[in-house]
Amino acid sequence: SQQGEEDPQALSIQEGENATMNCSYKTSINNLQWYRQNSGRGLVHLILIRSNEREKHSGRLRVTLDTSKKSSSLLITASRAADTASYFCATETGANNLFFGTGTRLTVIP
Amino acid sequence: EPEVTQTPSHQVTQMGQEVILRCVPISNHLYFYWYRQILGQKVEFLVSFYNNEISEKSEIFDDQFSVERPDGSNFTLKIRSTKLEDSAMYFCASNPGLADIQYFGAGTRLSVL
Repeated sequence: SQQGEEDPQALSIQEGENATMNCSYKTSINNLQWYRQNSGRGLVHLILIRSNEREKHSGRLRVTLDTSKKSSSLLITASRAADTASYFCATETGANNLFFGTGTRLTVIP
Repeated sequence: EPEVTQTPSHQVTQMGQEVILRCVPISNHLYFYWYRQILGQKVEFLVSFYNNEISEKSEIFDDQFSVERPDGSNFTLKIRSTKLEDSAMYFCASNPGLADIQYFGAGTRLSVL
């Protein structure tokens, strides 16, 4: 299975702190995407990183990709209470469908 | 900003009944998908659709499931005879091309009683 696994499963931090979530996967990928999901709601796309990229930034988000280790990390800097959500990585392997990980539930305490 | 829309937001049905979940993908997108998420579990791929035919499907997408693009805007998922275990959130997604960002709808929560 090429499904990703996120680590940690749950993370609780104080507002203003940085949050780091990790994702590991098993097979070669074309790209890796991070999504956010508020409780019981839809998936919001955050960032896509292609297999030939090592790092991407978008606002307070920083994503890294290490294809040799088959891993990615999502860093949210200066977290806010509104960042409280579940975060999923999803890998795209060429078949154009996404394989999602198990998610990290982030709680940012005001 | 264009978005994927799904209707209804919540569908309640009796076991054995047929349901049709509806999606309107973003207008210039060419690839369409259905995913599902059982409560508390990960999002699972069901099927992808391109050029009026299924391009990929998962093991979950058995003979009870079908997809259709009946006109130029709608993309539907039909479950012929629902089972209790079909209860889940169903997400539709679309993207303009291969390996592009997939944009997800807000989902339809299906409850099978």
